[in-house]
Amino acid sequence: KNEVEQSPQNLTAQEGEFITINCSYSVGISALHWLQQHPGGGIVSLFMLSSGKKKHGRLIATINIQEKHSSLHITASHPRDSAVYICAVSASGSRLTFGEGTQLTVNP
Amino acid sequence: DAGITQSPRHKVTETGTPVTLRCHQTENHRYMYWYRQDPGHGLRLIHYSYGVKDTDKGEVSDGYSVSRSKTEDFLLTLESATSSQTSVYFCAIGEAAGGNYGYTFGSGTRLTVV
Repeated sequence: KNEVEQSPQNLTAQEGEFITINCSYSVGISALHWLQQHPGGGIVSLFMLSSGKKKHGRLIATINIQEKHSSLHITASHPRDSAVYICAVSASGSRLTFGEGTQLTVNP
Repeated sequence: DAGITQSPRHKVTETGTPVTLRCHQTENHRYMYWYRQDPGHGLRLIHYSYGVKDTDKGEVSDGYSVSRSKTEDFLLTLESATSSQTSVYFCAIGEAAGGNYGYTFGSGTRLTVV
């Protein structure tokens, strides 16, 4: 079993829908990261969380440390949100452990 | 991404040849990482560095070596490329930020070994 599990693996939505991507982890962590990767593109850091909730534009990330769970929400989704979203955790030190990613497709 | 560049962006090489990928940063970050990304596996750590001449192995280090002679450069070398090393390689830099670590990733190098 991977230390970081994401669900769903693939997600297709219609423009305007509210989207949720989930991440569960099995180790104690110091921080959790949400990353975005567009097709053929590089990887961009969206959020770093150690507790609570963060919001940036239409993106919201939450974390529940006790339940070892985080969610990434996208409000009013748009086709340009189509990308792979990756959850990663840092346990101790500076190394990251990654989930396999969620492929999101938003259709117009 | 700004502050970190990878070269080359694409490379095709033959089995058995040596290959070196370069990661260059202008952020003066202490930590540098090399990952490979393959379908079904996500990102996996090859090697990382926590300072000049200080490096350590990651989870998939066999067949790879690294060097960091300057803060700004982290080189990944495939001594004798194999088809199983066909992958997309990402470099990342990291620095302590408020008790945790913030990361910036490069744009990736697509390597094909034929």
